[in-house]
Amino acid sequence: EPEVTQTPSHQVTQMGQEVILRCVPISNHLYFYWYRQILGQKVEFLVSFYNNEISEKSEIFDDQFSVERPDGSNFTLKIRSTKLEDSAMYFCASSERLAGYNEQFFGPGTRLTVL
Amino acid sequence: GQQVMQIPQYQHVQEGEDFTTYCNSSTTLSNIQWYKQRPGGHPVFLIQLVKSGEVKKQKRLTFQFGEAKKNSSLHITATQTTDVGTYFCAGRFLNTGKLIFGQGTTLQVKP
Repeated sequence: EPEVTQTPSHQVTQMGQEVILRCVPISNHLYFYWYRQILGQKVEFLVSFYNNEISEKSEIFDDQFSVERPDGSNFTLKIRSTKLEDSAMYFCASSERLAGYNEQFFGPGTRLTVL
Repeated sequence: GQQVMQIPQYQHVQEGEDFTTYCNSSTTLSNIQWYKQRPGGHPVFLIQLVKSGEVKKQKRLTFQFGEAKKNSSLHITATQTTDVGTYFCAGRFLNTGKLIFGQGTTLQVKP
């Protein structure tokens, strides 16, 4: 069964450093998303991406965040200058059609720890 | 802002007992989805409800969407230890494509 993959599974970084989280969505999916989940809390929407541009973003997704689809398979989330409060699990997801119209498939997540 | 409230936060039940989690929104939802997240895992899609008053069943799980499309519930009959995890509702509001997740209900089942 096709699945969303994410690398790395765990990233430890120093405050102020840049990190890039990588995702490979399901190959025939057109919509891509990033979510974050602070330990023990709910899943929070960050951004949705379609047709090589951001469709929608949340208040969390400020200028420190950016997304990119550098080639036909990868979808990345970059945090330019990490803060302690960026420590969380980051989930990538993809869907055939726009989220909320059909199922999203979540990746296993990248646990980001900012020291 | 647009929020989806979910209760209870935690529920401990004896195996075989029933379990229900509830979601509420202050404004009308376009549709609502339910996800299950096992401990240490990622959210896994369970179902989507679109129509007012819709009821869907998956084996022991029953999902309802309120008549006003502002609330939803998930009911599990005769819980099993495999039901353990956190259940999230995720609502989509009108004129937006993003999903807003509820806080989740963590279910513990004692054998």
